[in-house]
Amino acid sequence: EAGVAQSPRYKIIEKRQSVAFWCNPISGHATLYWYQQILGQGPKLLIQFQNNGVVDDSQLPKDRFSAERLKGVDSTLKIQPAKLEDSAVYLCASSFRGAGELFFGEGSRLTVL
Amino acid sequence: AQSVSQHNHHVILSEAASLELGCNYSYGGTVNLFWYVQYPGQHLQLLLKYFSGDPLVKGIKGFEAEFIKSKFSFNLRKPSVQWSDTAEYFCAVNAARDDKIIFGKGTRLHILP
Repeated sequence: EAGVAQSPRYKIIEKRQSVAFWCNPISGHATLYWYQQILGQGPKLLIQFQNNGVVDDSQLPKDRFSAERLKGVDSTLKIQPAKLEDSAVYLCASSFRGAGELFFGEGSRLTVL
Repeated sequence: AQSVSQHNHHVILSEAASLELGCNYSYGGTVNLFWYVQYPGQHLQLLLKYFSGDPLVKGIKGFEAEFIKSKFSFNLRKPSVQWSDTAEYFCAVNAARDDKIIFGKGTRLHILP
């Protein structure tokens, strides 16, 4: 069974630039999560999708972050414009339904200079 | 709002020592509880979970955790650690009424050979 795929693995940008991360969840998984993990901290939930609808985006900084999940499969997380404090690993996870076991991707490490 | 606190940020043990990592959560209702592990260079993966039933749950690689409802705790234990247990361990909680999973800050475990 293929796991959760994320790209790019690494990205270095300057502040005020934009960046996009892509996630392909495990086939058949209805729920998709984006987490932000800053060095030395645990994963922080940014947004949660159920199929192609948003379930929770209360922690997403909507002035600069956006996310979509077209057709209820792949998802894209965008940051525009990036700030220094956005340097983190962005984790995508999926689950078959709801809060069962989460399957994580390798993550996308963002460095903002 | 739910929250999770992990008491130890960094633990160093020798091989064969016993391990206990603390985890407390704040939420008054029914919860599902998880421990996730991230080995060096790998993605987060589920170690064990508690949904209901026997409060002592067993996971992979000889780990177990005990849910003590009165103490809002879900501590992780292993009687004899191995060098290969070197990893970062995250406790997570989900309020049974929704699908949001909140993570603690993690405990970095280093096992000396």
